[in-house]
Amino acid sequence: DIQMTQSPSSLSASVGDRVTITCRASQSISSYLSWYQHSPGKAPKLLIYAASSLQSGVPSRFSGSGSGTDFTLTISSLQPEDFATYYCQQSYISPYSFGQGTKLEIK
Amino acid sequence: QVHLVQSGAEVKKPGASVRVSCKVSGYTLTGLSKHWVRQAPGKGLEWMGNFDPEDGETIYARKFQGRVTLTEDTSTDTAYMELSSLRFEDTAVYYCASVRADGSFDLWGQGTLVTVSS
Repeated sequence: DIQMTQSPSSLSASVGDRVTITCRASQSISSYLSWYQHSPGKAPKLLIYAASSLQSGVPSRFSGSGSGTDFTLTISSLQPEDFATYYCQQSYISPYSFGQGTKLEIK
Repeated sequence: QVHLVQSGAEVKKPGASVRVSCKVSGYTLTGLSKHWVRQAPGKGLEWMGNFDPEDGETIYARKFQGRVTLTEDTSTDTAYMELSSLRFEDTAVYYCASVRADGSFDLWGQGTLVTVSS
């Protein structure tokens, strides 16, 4: 099974900050990588698919990059609604494993 | 617009089974591959398995093999996840999600809380 490792596990930041979250796969997954935002009481929300494509309706301050085993999610200027938990997920091969999550908190 | 609407919260005793439904509206069920994901309290998202409508095959995460069954009823446009031999640690919110060709989960149900309690 492919293991997905995110870092950091948690992150404190302020509104307006630029933040980067990384995700590493235990083997190459090409660009079969998605990023989700998950807030308490809500369903996860797709932000980025195919490693770097922005899902329709998602603000352009979110961006993704990478291929192979190393990926990043960047939020260029944090907004109050961005404080949530973020997950990467590979869809290269079943099981479609998720990273352990990165909790983004207000500093 | 397509929506995935899940059944309501359940409370079950250890050893029992639970079935969660996921009804598709606004699209034909057979066009959407459905996956199931859960989140236990204080834990991350965990992929459980999926039903492939193209060939009718199911793939289960090793952790749940033998306890989970995924099915779909095309006559009612509803997908089902049944988990048996429930344990306290199966207490979680269970989600259904539809998958696009690129593998991303673009649509999610609202989640169903399953509580296992004696």
